[in-house]
Amino acid sequence: SQKIEQNSEALNIQEGKTATLTCNYTNYSPAYLQWYRQDPGRGPVFLLLIRENEKEKRKERLKVTFDTTLKQSLFHITASQPADSATYLCALSKTGRRALTFGSGTRLQVQP
Amino acid sequence: EAGVTQSPTHLIKTRGQQVTLRCSPISGHTSVYWYQQALGLGLQFLLWYDEGEERNRGNFPPRFSGRQFPNYSSELNVNALELEDSALYLCASSYLAGGGADTQYFGPGTRLTVL
Repeated sequence: SQKIEQNSEALNIQEGKTATLTCNYTNYSPAYLQWYRQDPGRGPVFLLLIRENEKEKRKERLKVTFDTTLKQSLFHITASQPADSATYLCALSKTGRRALTFGSGTRLQVQP
Repeated sequence: EAGVTQSPTHLIKTRGQQVTLRCSPISGHTSVYWYQQALGLGLQFLLWYDEGEERNRGNFPPRFSGRQFPNYSSELNVNALELEDSALYLCASSYLAGGGADTQYFGPGTRLTVL
């Protein structure tokens, strides 16, 4: 069955450093991969989307890479700030199948 | 622009009871999705409605059901509540024009506790 893995352990980094989160998947050929941010008790907030034929996408301090050979996406936050502390979810979907399949998320803690 | 709204915010029920959760999508969005997020777990897809029709359903028993109204708002009904139904129920909406990726915008969720 399809599986999405995100590091279940929290990632603790110092303010100003680059945070790198990983999303690996198996038994799945997604057309799109999305990253969402979720704060405790709140709904996820969309951050970035990358298509299977794209290698990299950037938005301000955020960068996403997508390697369909490795079946992996990396999500980078540069110049991290304490306000970036949250859980980050990756989600996959196929064209025509619009329900998203989410990973369990990685909690990021940025220390001041 | 108003975001996705959900009601109620919190709900406490007992085993065997029935519950109805409500969702209003972003204006102009025709698709509504329901997800369940149990404590410490990822989001599990429940149901997808588009243009008033159920388009897809996740791996949940039939006691989870819903509907979408002509104004695109939606209800999620859960019958015969069980303790493991305790979770954050999230609604998301989207508008997909002519195929392609489907970015979903989430509401704040309804926290359901089953005692």
